[in-house]
Amino acid sequence: QSVLTQPPSASGTPGQRVSISCSGSSSNIGSNTVNWYQQLPGTAPKPLIYRNNQRPSGVPDRFSGSKSGTSASLAISGLQSEDEGDYYCAAWDDTLNGPVFGGGTKLTV
Amino acid sequence: EVQLLESGGALVQPGGSLGLSCAASGFRFSSYAMTWVRQAPGKGPEWVAAISGIGYSTYYVDSVKGRFTISRDNSKNTLSLQMNSLRAEDTAIYYCAKGRYDSGSYYNDPLDYWGQGTLVTVSS
Repeated sequence: QSVLTQPPSASGTPGQRVSISCSGSSSNIGSNTVNWYQQLPGTAPKPLIYRNNQRPSGVPDRFSGSKSGTSASLAISGLQSEDEGDYYCAAWDDTLNGPVFGGGTKLTV
Repeated sequence: EVQLLESGGALVQPGGSLGLSCAASGFRFSSYAMTWVRQAPGKGPEWVAAISGIGYSTYYVDSVKGRFTISRDNSKNTLSLQMNSLRAEDTAIYYCAKGRYDSGSYYNDPLDYWGQGTLVTVSS
């Protein structure tokens, strides 16, 4: 069981807005920044959001991140078919003294 | 252009050993922490090991401590992972990944470039 909890699945239709949650604790999300990764089928994960809400260059502004307390959220607006894949949150955990991933959310468009 | 190219994946018997390598290019290798992340079939990614830019600090997930060793050769821009006493549960795609920030520390450092991965299968 992952230290960071994500819903196993999410879905939406093209053009819709969908949100994926990531729940943690005071030792990880509560005290460190959250990163999000996108993994499209058959490919390596790629960064989507850094430091809670920063987008790397090349990532469309349809993707946004937020954090409040011990939870974080990834929002995808204007959903597109190519957004279909797996999404993972990640954060440093001060108790484990190491980085942890969430269990992942499979997005179906 | 940042490139990370893993090699060394193979089929190995339980209890065996295997070494993975990652050839890096396109950035100042010694300035960035580097990480090995693995992903078992149908599962999410898992940090395996990380090493600071200069190589003085390392991190291992509990399940590999004492069995795996991460190292780097900054003169050759190469990252390595020596895996001993392999178990079936080590079966996964192993990715080499670069830290985002040039502090050289892996603490709270997201991963901004990933290799294509190399498959390690532990089975008799």
